[in-house]
Amino acid sequence: KNEVEQSPQNLTAQEGEFITINCSYSVGISALHWLQQHPGGGIVSLFMLSSGKKKHGRLIATINIQEKHSSLHITASHPRDSAVYICAAVYGGSQGNLIFGKGTKLSVKP
Amino acid sequence: ETGVTQTPRHLVMGMTNKKSLKCEQHLGHNAMYWYKQSAKKPLELMFVYSLEERVENNSVPSRFSPECPNSSHLFLHLHTLQPEDSALYLCASSQDLSWAGGEQYFGPGTRLTVT
Repeated sequence: KNEVEQSPQNLTAQEGEFITINCSYSVGISALHWLQQHPGGGIVSLFMLSSGKKKHGRLIATINIQEKHSSLHITASHPRDSAVYICAAVYGGSQGNLIFGKGTKLSVKP
Repeated sequence: ETGVTQTPRHLVMGMTNKKSLKCEQHLGHNAMYWYKQSAKKPLELMFVYSLEERVENNSVPSRFSPECPNSSHLFLHLHTLQPEDSALYLCASSQDLSWAGGEQYFGPGTRLTVT
């Protein structure tokens, strides 16, 4: 069964802390997406990666194909980073299934 | 107006009503999607359209009926819904139909409550 597991489910951090959110998947995938969903529902695509590492500002996404694992890191976290972070794995080729994790709810306190 | 827009943002409807959700993308994309997000559940892909042709229907009940009249507009027609259909309905678009080829751009969603 194609599954996507995220951890932790909830995360509370102090402003300035380094944050890591994890995503693991069950079998080979062709790509993995990281999304950010703010209160109110709007979703923003952060990264799409199939190997290695990508960086955008304070956000870094990595993927380890052998270990079937991806991480999203936030450096120098800020209260505006508070959101739900969702990973989604692409199974079955580039036009295959997109399976979503349940999300990690991050709250950054000032 | 830019990006992906959805109307209405909130909708309350009875089980016997008929309503429609509208999505419009101003990005020149070729693929559009409907997602459902229920409380405490992962996002679920409902329908996929590529160049106005439906390419995916993920076992969605027939009380949900999509329509894509052109590559910029996507509708979700609703009739005889059940209370368990209450959820956030999100529309998205992407340049091409390839989840491994690029990112998706999401609309703000329609919060639907079925009474």
